[in-house]
Amino acid sequence: QVHLVESGGGVVQPGKSLRLSCVASGFTFRSYPMHWVRQAPGKGLEWVAVISYDGSHQFYADSVKGRFTISRDNSNNALYLQMNNLRPEDTGVFYCARAGDAEGTSNWFDPWGQGTLVTVSS
Amino acid sequence: DIVMTQSPDSLAVSLGERATINCKSSQSVLYTSNNKNYLAWYQQKPGQPPKLLISWASSRESGVPGRFSGSGSGTDFTLTISSLQAEDVAVYYCQQYYSPPYTFGQGTKLEIK
Repeated sequence: QVHLVESGGGVVQPGKSLRLSCVASGFTFRSYPMHWVRQAPGKGLEWVAVISYDGSHQFYADSVKGRFTISRDNSNNALYLQMNNLRPEDTGVFYCARAGDAEGTSNWFDPWGQGTLVTVSS
Repeated sequence: DIVMTQSPDSLAVSLGERATINCKSSQSVLYTSNNKNYLAWYQQKPGQPPKLLISWASSRESGVPGRFSGSGSGTDFTLTISSLQAEDVAVYYCQQYYSPPYTFGQGTKLEIK
């Protein structure tokens, strides 16, 4: 059974940093692109970043470009999101999600983890 | 960026009746080389992550009830629930995966009338 578990969320002051993790199981992690998607409280879904299966390519939403870095460790089936210079508007639940196929041409999101809550507040 | 716009924002339908949610993209998400629409639909229930219902605009995922169907092409798409059940109360999102950033519609909240 495919399973994604996020961790690392918490309360952080504006301008500080936080690193999220996502551990995968039940599929060949090293074969799939992986995504981060976030959801502000009571709001809709916003795609954040994607990383290719081997970590060689990354794409970011403009809202996080230059502040967030997505990475992965295929030997440990782990995905990361390093978030620097956090802003109050970054507050929300962060989900990791697998891409639709291993070729990277089908970037729907399935499955999703349960999410980890990040709160940016002074 | 491709902007996805859903309508309506909220919808109340009686049990057993049809529910229809629309999604419009600011540019075509039909990839002509393979004739596929790069459009997905998700269902999100309170306190849960989203769940993929449909990919390629009309391809229902394994385990998704047959009352859910997707249609449309190019820039205009529809999610239809043929006979609303109580467990279908949720927020529904469309998403384009034609090109990054992979944008979502704002969501449609579906309730029981």
